[in-house]
Amino acid sequence: DARVTQTPRHKVTEMGQEVTMRCQPILGHNTVFWYRQTMMQGLELLAYFRNRAPLDDSGMPKDRFSAEMPDATLATLKIQPSEPRDSAVYFCASGLGDRSTTEAFFGQGTRLTVV
Amino acid sequence: AQKITQTQPGMFVQEKEAVTLDCTYDTSDPSYGLFWYKQPSSGEMIFLIYQGSYDQQNATEGRYSLNFQKARKSANLVISASQLGDSAMYFCAMREGRVAGGFKTIFGAGTRLFVKA
Repeated sequence: DARVTQTPRHKVTEMGQEVTMRCQPILGHNTVFWYRQTMMQGLELLAYFRNRAPLDDSGMPKDRFSAEMPDATLATLKIQPSEPRDSAVYFCASGLGDRSTTEAFFGQGTRLTVV
Repeated sequence: AQKITQTQPGMFVQEKEAVTLDCTYDTSDPSYGLFWYKQPSSGEMIFLIYQGSYDQQNATEGRYSLNFQKARKSANLVISASQLGDSAMYFCAMREGRVAGGFKTIFGAGTRLFVKA
């Protein structure tokens, strides 16, 4: 059963700490997305990759957020330093192909709480 | 710029009846894809149905169908024979089909559907 795997599922951290969220896309998928979901802003696209190359990270606060794909089986989203306003559910999604016809399959999300 | 609008924050439907969830979009790209996702209380995002901008027929997937009206830029989701398990948040999403530089998928604010027994 192919699925996107995100770790950790839940994370509580203190303000100022570094947070790393990991995502294992579905094997063979060449597009990876990071989304953030909050009650106020809904689902926001933070960044996406195609064939491991970052194509757009304009939705991401550059001063504290960074997204990488060290290899085809791992995508990471880091926040350093974390702030309470970063509290949200972070979703990773992957897809096959780079056309508008491709649906994205979502992981179960990482619920981040920064206190 | 892309824009997805879901004007119904919440909807109620009686079990076994049909319900339509509205979605309008705005894009200048002639090639795009429209998607609907379901998010139950567990939080996962479940892909439901897809419609391409060049598709001649409305998409259908089981009890889900997409009422695609291109001229009006609307892509409403129709759920037939509602079930209690359909109670969830529903998101409309759009992806533009740019060739160079990749593409984005953006989501609407969502509609929360409540199915009454």
